[in-house]
Amino acid sequence: SQQGEEDPQALSIQEGENATMNCSYKTSINNLQWYRQNSGRGLVHLILIRSNEREKHSGRLRVTLDTSKKSSSLLITASRAADTASYFCATGWMDSSYKLIFGSGTRLLVRP
Amino acid sequence: EAQVTQNPRYLITVTGKKLTVTCSQNMNHEYMSWYRQDPGLGLRQIYYSMNVEVTDKGDVPEGYKVSRKEKRNFPLILESPSPNQTSLYFCASSDGGEQFFGPGTRLTVL
Repeated sequence: SQQGEEDPQALSIQEGENATMNCSYKTSINNLQWYRQNSGRGLVHLILIRSNEREKHSGRLRVTLDTSKKSSSLLITASRAADTASYFCATGWMDSSYKLIFGSGTRLLVRP
Repeated sequence: EAQVTQNPRYLITVTGKKLTVTCSQNMNHEYMSWYRQDPGLGLRQIYYSMNVEVTDKGDVPEGYKVSRKEKRNFPLILESPSPNQTSLYFCASSDGGEQFFGPGTRLTVL
């Protein structure tokens, strides 16, 4: 069964606007990661947030994690056409195993 | 250059013909994983490995085998491929944090 579920499934915005994607999960985790995938290519790691962190920034990216609600959000500020891609959250346990479960992704289209 | 390589990148085969997809990383990572990606289903983990000779099942291991005889290599073996294994396959490695993904192998089983 899928652990992470992204919302919305698809998002279309104008260049310069902010894009927000949400991820919900079901069980306890020790980290949550966000990845980007350009069409048919390999995934690229964006950011990792640990279960004891609430917010993390990297350039134009801001990730929040609410473990009480079992949810995370990815905010891309001042979006660019080059941000057009699919974005996936992945929930992980890295104690006795290395099991990562990916959601089905959000397809982001940034219109120039 | 730090990278994960997969071969072949594209493969068309027939039902029942054994095949191996190779995966190699040059970052001395302990963790390696295999995923398949299908439309609407995201990425699903097939197998993962915590270190040499240590492998474990992911969410969809049926029909697949793996081995980890060397730290850098983690081949995916389909002993008797079936059409429902037509998919895009990704190998990934990690030191425990972010995962580095290979470019993908698009497999079609006729």
